[in-house]
Amino acid sequence: EAGVTQFPSHSVIEKGQTVTLRCDPISGHDNLYWYRRVMGKEIKFLLHFVKESKQDESGMPNNRFLAERTGGTYSTLKVQPAELEDSGVYFCASSQGRPGAHDEQYFGPGTRLTVT
Amino acid sequence: QKEVEQDPGPLSVPEGAIVSLNCTYSNSAFQYFMWYRQYSRKGPELLMYTYSSGNKEDGRFTAQVDKSSKYISLFIRDSQPSDSATYLCAMRVVKYGNKLVFGAGTILRVKS
Repeated sequence: EAGVTQFPSHSVIEKGQTVTLRCDPISGHDNLYWYRRVMGKEIKFLLHFVKESKQDESGMPNNRFLAERTGGTYSTLKVQPAELEDSGVYFCASSQGRPGAHDEQYFGPGTRLTVT
Repeated sequence: QKEVEQDPGPLSVPEGAIVSLNCTYSNSAFQYFMWYRQYSRKGPELLMYTYSSGNKEDGRFTAQVDKSSKYISLFIRDSQPSDSATYLCAMRVVKYGNKLVFGAGTILRVKS
């Protein structure tokens, strides 16, 4: 079974440009999450999809970030326009969605974003 | 103040040593406590989870949760060079959904 995949693995863009990150969850997983690790800091939650609906977007830093999950399959995270402080590693995770039990989140390898 | 505190290390030990990794937290509402292992250029991988207080053992790994002290630990027995990685603690409050709150991670190096 394929794990969570993310594309690209690394992106270098200039300040003010737009970047779109993609995440393909494990097949059959209804839940999809985005997290981010900025240099020297802990991994922080950005948002959570259940199928195509945003369940929790409390961690989105500002309106330059737009996440979508059309059709409840893959998800994209767009940063427009990118700022220097957006540099970091963006992780995607997915889980089956098991109410009342521990619902393990499986992480992708991350996309390393560098804004210059 | 961060919700979860974790010493970033690095922690360097000889092969075969017992390793103790720890996190403290401030939010008494946390219910699930997890340990993830992350190798370089990879995503975090769940090692163990514990619900509420107590101990849990899985092979060479033991996770402990002391809710009264807001302190969790991961012990690794007979450490191997392949255990060299970053170890992240993470926590969750059930009523807040599936959002994980992570510690900064501890870099562990096991020398052969």
